[in-house]
Parts: sequence; structure tokens; C-alpha cells
Amino acid sequence: DSGVTQTPKHLITATGQRVTLRCSPRSGDLSVYWYQQSLDQGLQFLIQYYNGEERAKGNILERFSAQQFPDLHSELNLSSLELGDSALYFCASSSTTGGGGYTFGSGTRLTVV
Amino acid sequence: DQQVKQNSPSLSVQEGRISILNCDYTNSMFDYFLWYKKYPAEGPTFLISISSIKDKNEDGRFTVFLNKSAKHLSLHIVPSQPGDSAVYFCAAIGASGSRLTFGEGTQLTVNP
Repeated sequence: DSGVTQTPKHLITATGQRVTLRCSPRSGDLSVYWYQQSLDQGLQFLIQYYNGEERAKGNILERFSAQQFPDLHSELNLSSLELGDSALYFCASSSTTGGGGYTFGSGTRLTVV
Repeated sequence: DQQVKQNSPSLSVQEGRISILNCDYTNSMFDYFLWYKKYPAEGPTFLISISSIKDKNEDGRFTVFLNKSAKHLSLHIVPSQPGDSAVYFCAAIGASGSRLTFGEGTQLTVNP
């Protein structure tokens, strides 16, 4: 157990739908990062939050949004889902705003049918 | 723009031999490099890192080499064990933070 908890582990939904992925960071970590791993792709950075505030944005689609709550858990919202959104979505946390290593959760596998 | 590239999608080696995984980067502002290992159905786990002020860092069977002039780093695993079979990701970060940039990953298979 890495200390980073992601729910659900698996999600199957239809095109056009909206889903919410949840992440609880490791105790004490203020930064949360979301990454997407599509088939045969590396880990693509989506967005980072630090202590409730958006800190950096990567290749995140406008249909996607995220937030970090006062208790530091984070949610990634994916809407108007398309087949190409099927991927593994990883959350990671770190104790600082950057540098060093991250601790990853085990991911949410999203399948859009 | 893929700033971190792992050109070999897969590598197969015999148990006991050396595994060498390679990574190239284009952004000269990167100053810290990391390797992560990923097993199926799990998230990536940190393996070893190196600062740009060093050219080598060793941790047990794992050694990372950095060639800044060539913008190239490599991970050596000696001796390789079947349990090392996993996907290995190279990652980099710049002095300004704020997030890791990952390569595409290399699937290492160590055959008994």
C-alpha cells in the first residue's frame, strides 16, 4: 500500500457520460498530480494541485476538470466521454510543490464503451 | 513535443545478466532524473534518482548513469532477476518544479 488511495479501481461507462475519479493523497502530502496512461503511451501529465490551489496544467482536455478539497483529497471529473478517453488514470502525491519523487496510487482503469 | 524519450518499448534479458535501459531528453532545464518501475495493476513506484550535478548514482543492483552533454541517461540492473520484469519509466523535472515529465516506458522481461 503506497498510501495514495484511488477509487474506483475500475469504471465502465458509455460515451457521452460523466464520471468522477477520486484520490486521497498520502498523509501529509500537499501536492496532488493527475496523470493519464493510454494504451502503449507514457504517463501524460494532466494537472497538479497544491494545498487546494491549481498549480500546473498539462495536456488536460476542456471536458476534464479537477479540484482539491480542504481535506486534500482530489477529484478528477471527466465529462462528455469519448472512446479515446479509455485509459488508466493515476493520481500521485508529494510533500512539496515539486522535485523529488512522487508516490502513486494504483490507478483507475476507465473503459468507455 | 516528447521531452523525455525511451526509444526501446521492450527489452528481454537472461537472469543473471545485465539489463540496460536507456532514456534521452531534450530539455536542458531538467536537473533531476528518476526511474520508476511499474507492475501490472499497480501504480509506478520510485526506484532510483540522480541529480544533474552527478554522473552516477548506485543503489544495490541498480545504477543510474547521466551524460549531460548527450542528454542521455541509463539504468543498469546487475544481476537481473525475474522479479525485475516490469515496465520502467524514465522521468525528469526542472529546477522550477513542478511536475515530472515521463517517457513512454520500456517493458523489461527477465527470463529464468
